[in-house]
Amino acid sequence: DGGITQSPKYLFRKEGQNVTLSCEQNLNHDAMYWYRQDPGQGLRLIYYSQIVNDFQKGDIAEGYSVSREKKESFPLTVTSAQKNPTAFYLCASSPYNFKNIQYFGAGTRLSVL
Amino acid sequence: GDSVTQMEGPVTLSEEAFLTINCTYTATGYPSLFWYVQYPGEGLQLLLKATKADDKGSNKGFEATYRKETTSFHLEKGSVQVSDSAVYFCALTGGGGADGLTFGKGTHLIIQP
Repeated sequence: DGGITQSPKYLFRKEGQNVTLSCEQNLNHDAMYWYRQDPGQGLRLIYYSQIVNDFQKGDIAEGYSVSREKKESFPLTVTSAQKNPTAFYLCASSPYNFKNIQYFGAGTRLSVL
Repeated sequence: GDSVTQMEGPVTLSEEAFLTINCTYTATGYPSLFWYVQYPGEGLQLLLKATKADDKGSNKGFEATYRKETTSFHLEKGSVQVSDSAVYFCALTGGGGADGLTFGKGTHLIIQP
């Protein structure tokens, strides 16, 4: 089946630790996105990538990093610099056209131990 | 910058009631407008979209019309079911050529039998 796979579904981070969230898509989409969802605040854009080896900061990029070495993969690292990482993280992809639909994965819930 | 405002929730209705969830937006250019739905613990699913003024998006009995004169995209359904209980997000993209979706804060809809 075509779609977006995020893993793991649940993730726990210890103080000072970096953690990486996986996002893989087999839709052959050019663009990929990471959003953070907090209760009552909707979704906010962290990073996006329009093509391989290129990515741009979104509205809340501080404390996060990404890479785009392959078209189908867009991992997100939550670094120790992110002081409030507890949230629901959603990955999305779309064909490269800013008016097109974005398709979402099922999300990863990150909590701090 | 772009922004989306939607009515505060939770909205509680009885089964078979008429639903309206208000959404207004601020954007430069000519954005595309979307309604996404999120069921508990899941990612977002596209519900409907409209890409130009006066377009009507529809799906699963839900409808929304792109009103440029009032910068609105209100979601309506004539007869809601318990299975419609979810969080609904209004979103836009492409107004100024930027990537990523701009979301409203979400409206939690609860349908009682």
